[in-house]
Amino acid sequence: AQSVTQLDSHVSVSEGTPVLLRCNYSSSYSPSLFWYVQHPNKGLQLLLKYTSAATLVKGINGFEAEFKKSETSFHLTKPSAHMSDAAEYFCVVGRANAGNMLTFGGGTRLMVKP
Amino acid sequence: DARVTQTPRHKVTEMGQEVTMRCQPILGHNTVFWYRQTMMQGLELLAYFRNRAPLDDSGMPKDRFSAEMPDATLATLKIQPSEPRDSAVYFCASGSSGTLASGNRNEQFFGPGTRLTVL
Repeated sequence: AQSVTQLDSHVSVSEGTPVLLRCNYSSSYSPSLFWYVQHPNKGLQLLLKYTSAATLVKGINGFEAEFKKSETSFHLTKPSAHMSDAAEYFCVVGRANAGNMLTFGGGTRLMVKP
Repeated sequence: DARVTQTPRHKVTEMGQEVTMRCQPILGHNTVFWYRQTMMQGLELLAYFRNRAPLDDSGMPKDRFSAEMPDATLATLKIQPSEPRDSAVYFCASGSSGTLASGNRNEQFFGPGTRLTVL
């Protein structure tokens, strides 16, 4: 079985400061891992994905995530937050041997203060 | 720019009415997913199709919900009769259950959603 835990339901940062959104996963197989972002009243957009290539994955809008197998983590970071980064972020693991079904974390709401 | 489309974007209806939501997956994708998102429950998987065949609809209330794929370019989610507790945003997503070499293993592309309000 696979599961995803997003350790913080809400994160608040000031504009221009670093962002860290934490995610831990469990998987019996080598997982595919994703971060999706959802802006208010919008659909989900893929930020980045890990599929067993480089462990440091760069995504859109300056975000990146590092796959750490020993820690079963896939934390999302950004060096400098922008007001437009305020949104809900979902850490997601692809279910092995199940086509491309996904297991979603509970989401982290990122708030950016001016 | 290929994307998943959903209609309608917003729907307000009265309790007891039938609601049909439509989704056009990205051309060439062979998997389609229906999700429901609410504040209380977050994102819930309702149904999953591969090559138009339903593979998993365990998350869907069977008595009032039904999901179909009449053809490869159209997926529908129907609620009959609708109830106020069905009020939510319904998302459709599509993907390609290809090989790891394709680079798109497990990735899903989401539509903009249908915001349903049942009065």
